[in-house]
Amino acid sequence: DIQMTQSPFSLSASVGVRVTITCRASQSIRTYLNWYQQKPGRAPNLLIYAASSLQSGVPSRFSGSGSGTDFTLTISSLQPEDFATYYCQQSYSTPYTFGQGTKLEIK
Amino acid sequence: EVHLVESGGGLVQPGGSLRLSCAASGFTFSSYAMSWVRQAPGKGLEWVSGISGSGNSTYYADSVKGRFTVSRDNSKNTLSLQMNSLRAEDTAVYFCASVGRIQLWNYFDYWGQGTLVTVSS
Repeated sequence: DIQMTQSPFSLSASVGVRVTITCRASQSIRTYLNWYQQKPGRAPNLLIYAASSLQSGVPSRFSGSGSGTDFTLTISSLQPEDFATYYCQQSYSTPYTFGQGTKLEIK
Repeated sequence: EVHLVESGGGLVQPGGSLRLSCAASGFTFSSYAMSWVRQAPGKGLEWVSGISGSGNSTYYADSVKGRFTVSRDNSKNTLSLQMNSLRAEDTAVYFCASVGRIQLWNYFDYWGQGTLVTVSS
């Protein structure tokens, strides 16, 4: 199985700052990498697919990059509604696997 | 508008069985693969199972293989997950999700609200 490792586990940041979350795969997954946002008590919401494609309706302050084993999710200017947990997920092969999540909290 | 609504969760004893359903609307159900993803209390997301649009191909996580069975009824726009030999570690919120696809890339684009399964004596 492909292991997905996110860093950091948690992050405290202020509104308006730029934030980067990283995700590393245990083997190359080319660009078969998706990012989701989840708020407490809610279902996950797709942000980025294919490593860098912005899902329809997602604000442009979210962006993704990377290929192979190393990927990043960047939020260019944090907004109050962005405080949530973020997950990466590989779709290269089954079993599809998620990272352990990065909890983004208000500083 | 796409809607996915799960049902069938509840409290079950270890070793017991439960059948989850997911009612889909707002899209051509038979054209899309579907998946089940679960989340144990306070934990991260775990992909459980997937099924092709036709239902001819199914996929499972090792943790549930041989105990869970995914199926679909395209005439009723319904996805199901039959869960047998349930264990305490199966306790989680179970989400159904549609699998969007662009060329070779796929992703979970729509999710239900989830249904809670609790395995406990």
